Amino acid sequence: GAVVSQHPSWVICKSGTSVKIECRSLDFQATTMFWYRQFPKQSLMLMATSNEGSKATYEQGVEKDKFLINHASLTLSTLTVTSAHPEDSSFYICSVSGLAGAGELFFGEGSRLTVL
Amino acid sequence: GENVEQHPSTLSVQEGDSAVIKCTYSDSASNYFPWYKQELGKRPQLIIDIRSNVGEKKDQRIAVTLNKTAKHFSLHITETQPEDSAVYFCAANGNQFYFGTGTSLTVIP
Repeated sequence: GAVVSQHPSWVICKSGTSVKIECRSLDFQATTMFWYRQFPKQSLMLMATSNEGSKATYEQGVEKDKFLINHASLTLSTLTVTSAHPEDSSFYICSVSGLAGAGELFFGEGSRLTVL
Repeated sequence: GENVEQHPSTLSVQEGDSAVIKCTYSDSASNYFPWYKQELGKRPQLIIDIRSNVGEKKDQRIAVTLNKTAKHFSLHITETQPEDSAVYFCAANGNQFYFGTGTSLTVIP
């Protein structure tokens, strides 16, 4: 399966600052990556689909200007939480889909964001 | 869009007993149904999956059954062990993945 690396694994920041989370596909080129958000004891909620070389597709209710996604290469997608507030504190996980037709999702390690 | 429901939300079993988690989905176009195990603070790990052309799949102590007509699929864990304790998520994939709400499984030694 695909190897997905996410960085940082945890970050604490002050309210009002911006935080960038990186998601790398280490062993294959991913034209599409997915960003999920997970609150404690809850399920994974898809935030957006990151498309290499084009704009991300955001799910309903997710603020595009708040969660900036850049997918500049086939191996790297970044999620920037802008002007973070305490309610943005969450576990953010990226994923890539496996080989064409296989359908599996492979997840990064996740990034725990705490906004003070 | 797809709607995936998962039950129960919490499940406690004695070590050695079986555990069953059930999911239903709404979109008949969904054709891939994976199950993920997530330990606290860690990434979800795929433990088993099933595709719509198969009714049952087994991998050692873990099995998944799919009823496409009724739009439900289930995870079965036999001879449970304490290390099986985790949160389990089902998912249905048509055009994109939709996850169930999760089941917190506790295996009591």
